[in-house]
Amino acid sequence: DQQVKQNSPSLSVQEGRISILNCDYTNSMFDYFLWYKKYPAEGPTFLISISSIKDKNEDGRFTVFLNKSAKHLSLHIVPSQPGDSAVYFCAASDSGGGADGLTFGKGTHLIIQP
Amino acid sequence: NAGVTQTPKFRILKIGQSMTLQCAQDMNHNYMYWYRQDPGMGLKLIYYSVGAGITDKGEVPNGYNVSRSTTEDFPLRLELAAPSQTSVYFCASLGQGAGEQYFGPGTRLTVT
Repeated sequence: DQQVKQNSPSLSVQEGRISILNCDYTNSMFDYFLWYKKYPAEGPTFLISISSIKDKNEDGRFTVFLNKSAKHLSLHIVPSQPGDSAVYFCAASDSGGGADGLTFGKGTHLIIQP
Repeated sequence: NAGVTQTPKFRILKIGQSMTLQCAQDMNHNYMYWYRQDPGMGLKLIYYSVGAGITDKGEVPNGYNVSRSTTEDFPLRLELAAPSQTSVYFCASLGQGAGEQYFGPGTRLTVT
């Protein structure tokens, strides 16, 4: 049973517009959430995280929103740039920071169109 | 800092062979992890370690073994390779028990 779900396998967005990637989770014990970006033939690289005590975290062009009651989080990228084309993974932890490992979604392939 | 390094980058194994995937980190991180990623899927945790001499099973540990004799190294052992172990394997490390995990570039393993 998937505990972290990314229901959109791919998303196409025009350069300069906003990209919104969504993630849902089922485990109410998750208390820490992260987004990773992955290029082909490379390892995932960390983008941004959020603790369950917050509902928003911002870092430059990237903002993550957490709605605990809906068990939903989203990643907003504004403005979208060609280098943002990659697979984005949502990940979650129930160990207060990821010490016991992360549970990942299947990923969303973001394609930025020129 | 090299960060997290993994060797080899690619390997083809025959069914029943064994091999060790190497992982090393130079960030003095206590926490280390092994994940596998199958095509079209997310990463799944195989084993993890919270420090030298301490290891624990993740979600998919069957068919694998690990050891952690030093802070820097966390090798993953496949004893009797099976086609179901064809995957990309990622090693990761974490500094203080909270925050982002740093990933290596991965090892692509094919078992035929």
